[in-house]
Order: sequence, then structure tokens, then C-alpha cells
Amino acid sequence: DAGITQSPRHKVTETGTPVTLRCHQTENHRYMYWYRQDPGHGLRLIHYSYGVKDTDKGEVSDGYSVSRSKTEDFLLTLESATSSQTSVYFCAIRPGGNTEAFFGQGTRLTVV
Amino acid sequence: GENVEQHPSTLSVQEGDSAVIKCTYSDSASNYFPWYKQELGKRPQLIIDIRSNVGEKKDQRIAVTLNKTAKHFSLHITETQPEDSAVYFCAASKEGGSYIPTFGRGTSLIVHP
Repeated sequence: DAGITQSPRHKVTETGTPVTLRCHQTENHRYMYWYRQDPGHGLRLIHYSYGVKDTDKGEVSDGYSVSRSKTEDFLLTLESATSSQTSVYFCAIRPGGNTEAFFGQGTRLTVV
Repeated sequence: GENVEQHPSTLSVQEGDSAVIKCTYSDSASNYFPWYKQELGKRPQLIIDIRSNVGEKKDQRIAVTLNKTAKHFSLHITETQPEDSAVYFCAASKEGGSYIPTFGRGTSLIVHP
């Protein structure tokens, strides 16, 4: 499993509520990424981190924020969930350099 | 930023046939090209990758080719089997910029027994 876990695995929430997804790694890898996966769109980058407290936006960052206060945890927050944020969210980690990215199991989020 | 186009979006073949999935990229500085396989309900997992200093790489029934001049790379699967049915993603990344992998939209491969 490459030492990466996401929680929760499934969540149903109401429109307008805040939601936080967690990505936890045991590999001490520097780079962490949050993607969302939607039919016909593949994997789109939301935010990424290149170290503790070092984060930046991806192509679909509107409505999302992230935090990384420890190497092992990368949190994704939907500040006020909307139905358009219903998706499967994947966290990925990478040790550094141009190498393989390892994905978490994914979190299926439904906003009703 | 990088843009990766992937074709076809769906590919249906008979067991034993070959399958080819093609990707193009826009940033000539990209130098690492992985391919991921995602089975239904599971996470994407690397099946093969290629770097820009190599034109072709093979691993049993899977091969990847890279044409840097044309900025395209392809995945070839020979003697397809039903267990090859999955969604395949190509990606591109480069040195620096947090090595962000940019993914194609995916190809759903269906292998009919």
C-alpha cells in the first residue's frame, strides 16, 4: 500500500457544510498531492505540497484549501461543500525527483 | 502549464488482440512519462514508465514508446487478457516545480473473452 492511507473512505455531507479529508503517509516523502477524479476528466490536481507548510494551488483549487503541519499529514478542506464537489478524491505521494507517484485508496465524497 | 491529451477514451478489443493507447504532451521540458492502471473501484497503480533518454521500454506484454520530437508517447499491450480490462492513464512531469504529474483523461480498455 506504499504507506499511504486516506480517511474517511466514504462520506455523505450536506451542501454548505465544511468537510476535511485526511491523507496520512508513513514514508516521510516530501511531495504530496490532492487530485479529484471525475468521469471524462481523469485526475485533476487540486493542491500540492512540497514540504511542511509549503503548499500551492493546482488547476481546480477554487473552493478547496489545504494544510500540512507535519510531514506525514496533508489535509484537504472543502470550506463550504457544493454538489459540484461530489467526486472521488485521491491523495498521492512522491519521494522526490521524477519518480513514481503512489496513490491512496481514494475517498468517495457525495454532497447532497 | 503542461497539457496531456490521451486517445482513445474507450477501446474495445477481443482477447488476444493488441491494444494501443496514445498520449501527447505540450511541455518540451517534460522528461518522465508514467502509465497507470486503475481497476474498478481501486487506486491508480504504476504499470510502466519511461524517461526522455529512452525511446522504448518493455515489460513482458507491455511496452511504451516515446517520440520526443513529436511529443507523444504510447502504451502497447499485446496478447490482451480479460484482466487487462481497466482504465489506463498516461502522465507527464518534469524536473522542478514539485514534479507535478499531469494526467491524461484516461482510456477505458475493455477486453472481451
